[in-house]
Amino acid sequence: GNSVTQMEGPVTLSEEAFLTINCTYTATGYPSLFWYVQYPGEGLQLLLKATKADDKGSNKGFEATYRKETTSFHLEKGSVQVSDSAVYFCALINPGTGYQKVTFGTGTKLQVIP
Amino acid sequence: NAGVTQTPKFRVLKTGQSMTLLCAQDMNHEYMYWYRQDPGMGLRLIHYSVGEGTTAKGEVPDGYNVSRLKKQNFLLGLESAAPSQTSVYFCASSYSKEWRAGTQYFGPGTRLLVL
Repeated sequence: GNSVTQMEGPVTLSEEAFLTINCTYTATGYPSLFWYVQYPGEGLQLLLKATKADDKGSNKGFEATYRKETTSFHLEKGSVQVSDSAVYFCALINPGTGYQKVTFGTGTKLQVIP
Repeated sequence: NAGVTQTPKFRVLKTGQSMTLLCAQDMNHEYMYWYRQDPGMGLRLIHYSVGEGTTAKGEVPDGYNVSRLKKQNFLLGLESAAPSQTSVYFCASSYSKEWRAGTQYFGPGTRLLVL
């Protein structure tokens, strides 16, 4: 079956530091990959996505590149802000006929301190 | 557009009581989902629906029932609440076609405490 593995948190960084949150996956075929963000007290919201190998998703200064050879989709940001403090979820779906389950990772909490 | 809305936002129940959580979406999405989120457990899918009048079990369906009588609404019922059902419940919706089903729109959540 499909699975997503994220690095354990929490990750604590100082403001303006470089961020990497690792995500690796196991799936058959050609999954589409996603990063979601959950701010305190809110639901998840899509941050970025990539639907095929070598695609780079980007949004709000965050980037992730779909690496099929290493089955990875690591999230990066060059300079984090306090407002980026949240929980980040990596996810995948294997597009196909009919309903396909979305597999979420367990989430990585990021805390950015001033 | 309101997106995905959930009511109530917070509820306290006694063991054995029943309640219904309401989810509504105004994006004409085909798919709708109910998840629960517990500390250290990530998101777990309770039930889902691929269209009006259809429902299906997810990973953790026991103790819950659902209905989707209208395309825009997805109801989650607890017939006899148990302390193990204390959690934060999220509703989500999405389009159905291929990768678009992976782009899910989440509601703000319902915090449920069962005493």
